[in-house]
Amino acid sequence: NAGVTQTPKFQVLKTGQSMTLQCAQDMNHNSMYWYRQDPGMGLRLIYYSASEGTTDKGEVPNGYNVSRLNKREFSLRLESAAPSQTSVYFCASRPFGTSTDTQYFGPGTRLTVL
Amino acid sequence: SQQGEEDPQALSIQEGENATMNCSYKTSINNLQWYRQNSGRGLVHLILIRSNEREKHSGRLRVTLDTSKKSSSLLITASRAADTASYFCATLEKLVFGKGTKLTVNP
Repeated sequence: NAGVTQTPKFQVLKTGQSMTLQCAQDMNHNSMYWYRQDPGMGLRLIYYSASEGTTDKGEVPNGYNVSRLNKREFSLRLESAAPSQTSVYFCASRPFGTSTDTQYFGPGTRLTVL
Repeated sequence: SQQGEEDPQALSIQEGENATMNCSYKTSINNLQWYRQNSGRGLVHLILIRSNEREKHSGRLRVTLDTSKKSSSLLITASRAADTASYFCATLEKLVFGKGTKLTVNP
C-alpha cells in the first residue's frame, strides 16, 4: 500500500493564481483531512471530510475549497492564492473518524506564493 | 485556537539521556495521541493514551496522562540521534494538534 499520497511535492505560485492540491489514500479510510503547517504554529485544520459525500470547515478554511471526489481522493483548491497561504500542506486520513483512530499523513506539499 | 500546547518548544540533549516533553490541553478529552515528525516529512503516530489510563509504555516511550491537570507527558528513554524530530500531542476529538517540541539528540 502507498498509504496517503500527495501531489505536487513543491509548488510556486504568483499572487492571484489558482491551483489544486491532490490527495489520495489506498487504505479504504472513511475520513480525510487537510492541514497547513506554518513555522511555530503547529498543524491547523483547514477542512475535513468525515465520510464520502461530506465536507466541513476546520479552524482556518478561508481562501480554500475542497472536494471529496470519491472515497479515495480529497482535493484542496486555492482559488486566488495569497502570500499568507505560503505553507506546507498535509493531507491525512483515518479509518472511521473516531477520536481513537490513528491519523495517517501524506508527505506534504510545500507551497510558496510570491 | 490550539488546544494542545507542548512544552518546551525546543530541547537539546546528549545521546543516552532521557527526554521529557509536556502537553497541556484545555477541554475534556477521551484520549490523547502523540505523533512524531521528522524534518520535512508527514507526522507518524507514536502512541495513544485513553482518559482512563494514567500511564502507557511502548518500547522506549512512556506517556502519562493527568486529566485533573489536563496535561500529558512523553518520556523517551536512552535517546538516540535518530530520535531527533518534532513531537506533537493531539486531541483528535477536536482535530487539534499542538505546536510541537523540537527535540535534538546530539551524538
